Amino acid sequence: DARVTQTPRDKVTEMGQEVTMRCQPILGHNTVFWYRQTMMQGLELLAYFRNRAPLDDSGMPKDRFSAEMPDATLATLKIQPSEPRDSAVYFCASGPGGHRFGYTFGSGTRLTVV
Amino acid sequence: TQLLEQSPQFLSIQEGENLTVYCNSSSVFSSLQWYRQEPGEGPVLLVTVVTGGEVKKLKRLTFQFGDARKDSSLHITAAQPGDTGLYLCAGLYQGAQKLVFGQGTRLTINP
Repeated sequence: DARVTQTPRDKVTEMGQEVTMRCQPILGHNTVFWYRQTMMQGLELLAYFRNRAPLDDSGMPKDRFSAEMPDATLATLKIQPSEPRDSAVYFCASGPGGHRFGYTFGSGTRLTVV
Repeated sequence: TQLLEQSPQFLSIQEGENLTVYCNSSSVFSSLQWYRQEPGEGPVLLVTVVTGGEVKKLKRLTFQFGDARKDSSLHITAAQPGDTGLYLCAGLYQGAQKLVFGQGTRLTINP
């Protein structure tokens, strides 16, 4: 089965450090989402792309978060500088777009900022 | 502000019982999706409903999309311990194709 690959699986970093999370979407999928999941807030939409173009990143703290798709096989989410409140599981999901199709999620990156 | 309200948030029942989970919103969606998430993994798509009033069945699971495309329900018949997990509904907004999730229903089926 085709899958969405996220790296790293786990990341522990110190406050103030830069963190980069990577996502390899399924080949042929033109829509990519980034979500953050915490027990308190559930799944929050951070940003999403269509055909590599950012459509909406209003869910991200702009001063420290950035999301890019340098090519069709890679999406990145960067946090600089990281803060303890950024500790969460970050998920990437990809899909073919359109309202009839669902999305495939990666296994997530568990980020802990100490 | 939670755009999709799921209820109940927690549900613990005995094996063999039936249950219904609800997903409500004041917004109209082009489609409504249901996912199930296991600990340590990402959500996995169960079903997508597109047409108002649509009903889809997946073995013992029945999904319904409201006539106005603002709400949905998931009904499980004769629940089994293997049904335990976090069930999430997600609405896809028309035009922008933005997918937003409800808070989820944490379901526990006791043997």
